[in-house]
Amino acid sequence: DQQVKQNSPSLSVQEGRISILNCDYTNSMFDYFLWYKKYPAEGPTFLISISSIKDKNEDGRFTVFLNKSAKHLSLHIVPSQPGDSAVYFCAASARGIQGGNNDMRFGAGTRLTVKP
Amino acid sequence: NAGVTQTPKFQVLKTGQSMTLQCAQDMNHNSMYWYRQDPGMGLRLIYYSASEGTTDKGEVPNGYNVSRLNKREFSLRLESAAPSQTSVYFCASTLQQGVGNTIYFGEGSWLTVV
Repeated sequence: DQQVKQNSPSLSVQEGRISILNCDYTNSMFDYFLWYKKYPAEGPTFLISISSIKDKNEDGRFTVFLNKSAKHLSLHIVPSQPGDSAVYFCAASARGIQGGNNDMRFGAGTRLTVKP
Repeated sequence: NAGVTQTPKFQVLKTGQSMTLQCAQDMNHNSMYWYRQDPGMGLRLIYYSASEGTTDKGEVPNGYNVSRLNKREFSLRLESAAPSQTSVYFCASTLQQGVGNTIYFGEGSWLTVV
């Protein structure tokens, strides 16, 4: 069962515009959410995270929004740059579960293409 | 500035062959992980080691074994490879087991079983 879902396999946006990547989760125990970015032939790298006590976390051009009632989070990139072209993975875990990171679940990823 | 290093990067195996994926980290991390990534699916945890001397099963452990050789190294072994194990494998580490600590990934190992 996929507890974390990214329903859009790909997204294409124009440079300078906003990119919005979406993620849905089903497990109400999840209370910590992360986004990872992955370039071809490289491992995923941590981008931004959010705890369930917040509904927004911002880091430069990247903002993550969390809607707990809808079990939905999104990553906004403003403005989008060609260098942002990569696969973005959403991940979720639960602090309350022993082990934490070993119960992290990843979405299937969304391939973002930012056109110059 | 190596971080997490895994070898080999590419490998083709015949069904039934065995092989070991090697992983080492130089960040003095306590916890290490092995994930696999398949098309249309997210990264799935195979095995993890919360600290030196301990290993535990993750979400998809069948067909694999692991060894935490020391604090730096965590290897993944396929005893009898099957085509279903064709995947990209990622080793990862984090300072401490527990939510909130950033997980650092290696570059991946592409394994094909024919």
